[in-house]
Amino acid sequence: EDKVVQSPLSLVVHEGDTVTLNCSYEVTNFRSLLWYKQEKKAPTFLFMLTSSGIEKKSGRLSSILDKKELFSILNITATQTGDSAVYLCAVEAGGGYNKLIFGAGTRLAVHP
Amino acid sequence: NAGVTQTPKFQVLKTGQSMTLQCAQDMNHNSMYWYRQDPGMGLRLIYYSASEGTTDKGEVPNGYNVSRLNKREFSLRLESAAPSQTSVYFCASSDRGRESYEQYFGPGTRLTVT
Repeated sequence: EDKVVQSPLSLVVHEGDTVTLNCSYEVTNFRSLLWYKQEKKAPTFLFMLTSSGIEKKSGRLSSILDKKELFSILNITATQTGDSAVYLCAVEAGGGYNKLIFGAGTRLAVHP
Repeated sequence: NAGVTQTPKFQVLKTGQSMTLQCAQDMNHNSMYWYRQDPGMGLRLIYYSASEGTTDKGEVPNGYNVSRLNKREFSLRLESAAPSQTSVYFCASSDRGRESYEQYFGPGTRLTVT
């Protein structure tokens, strides 16, 4: 059975800290791994990773994929209160359509 | 360009009542999806439509039906609501035909069944 596991489930840090969120997966026919940020409403897209070892970066956020060990990490440096959200990892797997399997998410709280 | 829109935003139903959640996208995407999100469980796929005219079951289809009315619209119907269907429902769309591509999500419908 395909599964995506995120850790930790929740995290509390102070502004300025650096955090690392983890996502491991076991799926058939892996195609890509995606990270989303969910604040109060709909998830919003952060990164899509398809190749091992290539870091994707956007401002203070970065992510990397290891297809041999079947995991990805999302790093956030110099955290701000606006980074408080649930971070969702999803893996695209299977046949010829864009089916995503989501992890349960990591709830990040950044305190001033 | 509104992206993915959903109606209603909130709904309260009594057990046994029926309702339809509406979803529309204006990005000309081929694929559309319905998810439910429960606390601590991430998003789970209910049904999806890979292209206009086709629908398939996802991970948790029991108690739901869907209709892909045209390329823009994908509705989710609860024929006889149960308290276990209390959840937040998200519709999403994506561009099929690429190697892999992100899904765009609507704002969600918060449904409570009493």
